[in-house]
Order: sequence, then structure tokens, then C-alpha cells
Amino acid sequence: GAGVSQTPSNKVTEKGKYVELRCDPISGHTALYWYRQSLGQGPEFLIYFQGTGAADDSGLPNDRFFAVRPEGSVSTLKIQRTERGDSAVYLCASSLTIRYHYEQYFGPGTRLTVT
Amino acid sequence: AQKITQTQPGMFVQEKEAVTLDCTYDTSDQSYGLFWYKQPSSGEMIFLIYQGSYDEQNATEGRYSLNFQKARKSANLVISASQLGDSAMYFCAMREDTGRRALTFGSGTRLQVQP
Repeated sequence: GAGVSQTPSNKVTEKGKYVELRCDPISGHTALYWYRQSLGQGPEFLIYFQGTGAADDSGLPNDRFFAVRPEGSVSTLKIQRTERGDSAVYLCASSLTIRYHYEQYFGPGTRLTVT
Repeated sequence: AQKITQTQPGMFVQEKEAVTLDCTYDTSDQSYGLFWYKQPSSGEMIFLIYQGSYDEQNATEGRYSLNFQKARKSANLVISASQLGDSAMYFCAMREDTGRRALTFGSGTRLQVQP
């Protein structure tokens, strides 16, 4: 079956603009995660969903970042008033459930560049 | 708080030889999972192997095995018979059954396989 997909693959935006990043998880996966990976570092947790609700958003760096998953499938990460420090690869992952023994499958990522 | 430490920023190995990538972790949870992911230059995160905290035997997946030493809180990845295609970044990650359910990643080890 299809894996996790993310669009766009690349996004270049100007400082101060609003961006939306989309994630389409593996069908049937109830848990969805967003991570951010800066150059040379491991991914860092942003937020995760169990179904439609955000179960833990403690990784979001500030209130410019917001994510939704209205129907329990596709998720959108929204960044307002982008800053150059937001430049990174944004990774989405999904897993069958949130239980610890289920692996997470990652999408190819969206590379965000803020100029 | 959970923490993953990978002390080897870079490793070299000759083709066909075995290599061990180190990972130590810290958690107060009794139930947790340890994961290794491979990230080639293309950027995708590829799941390699999983070890549960209650698993008595070390996990193996083809040429990958996980040397799990619970008392020492280490979960080293062993790659046997290295191939040129194994050259990539390798990340160790942990996921707790309580508390934060998302993956916490180490800083990664860049493995280069030499012919």
C-alpha cells in the first residue's frame, strides 16, 4: 500500500508569510506525528494526534505553529509569520496506534526555506 | 525526561565487515521501545529494527541486530557484512508507553562504508 506522503516536497517563502504543510498518513493509522529536523540533527518532536485530537502539542516551539487533523486522517501543519529560524525539514510519521511497540513510518518530508 | 545519546558522530567501516553503532538511553518508564532508523542522503527515514523493554532476546532483522543491555541502558546497532549502500545517517530513538508517546531521537551517527 501507499506510504506516508507529504506535500509540498519543497517550500520557499519569505519571512513573515504564512505556510501550510500537508501530511497524508498510511491508511488505517490512527496516530500521526510531526517532527522538525534541522541540518545535522535528529528529528525533534512537535505534535502528535490520536485520531482527530492533538494528544500532545508540547513540542510546538511557540504559538505561531498550529496543526489540525479534522477527520482523523490528513493533517496540516500551519506556521504563521514565518521566521528564518523556521527553516528545516518537517517530517510527518504515522503508526497503527500510539502504543510504544508500534514503529512509526515516515514521509519524505517537506523542506521549508524562509528567506 | 527521556534522553538518547549517540557518542559517535562519524564511523568508517570496510565493505563486508561488521560495525557497531552505540546508543545509550535514559528513562524512568518501565515500558518503552527502542528503534533504529536509517536516513540516506535522500532524506527519508527508514525503520530498521525495534527492541521492546520487556523483550528478553536481542532483536534481529536480516543483517541488523540490536545488542540490548537493559541494566546498562544501551541499545547498540550491529550491522554485519557492511555494504556500500549502508552509508547513511543512523538514528537511535526511544518511545515510552506513558508520558510522551512520540519518538525521542539521538543526534545520529554518520556511517561511511569504504570499498
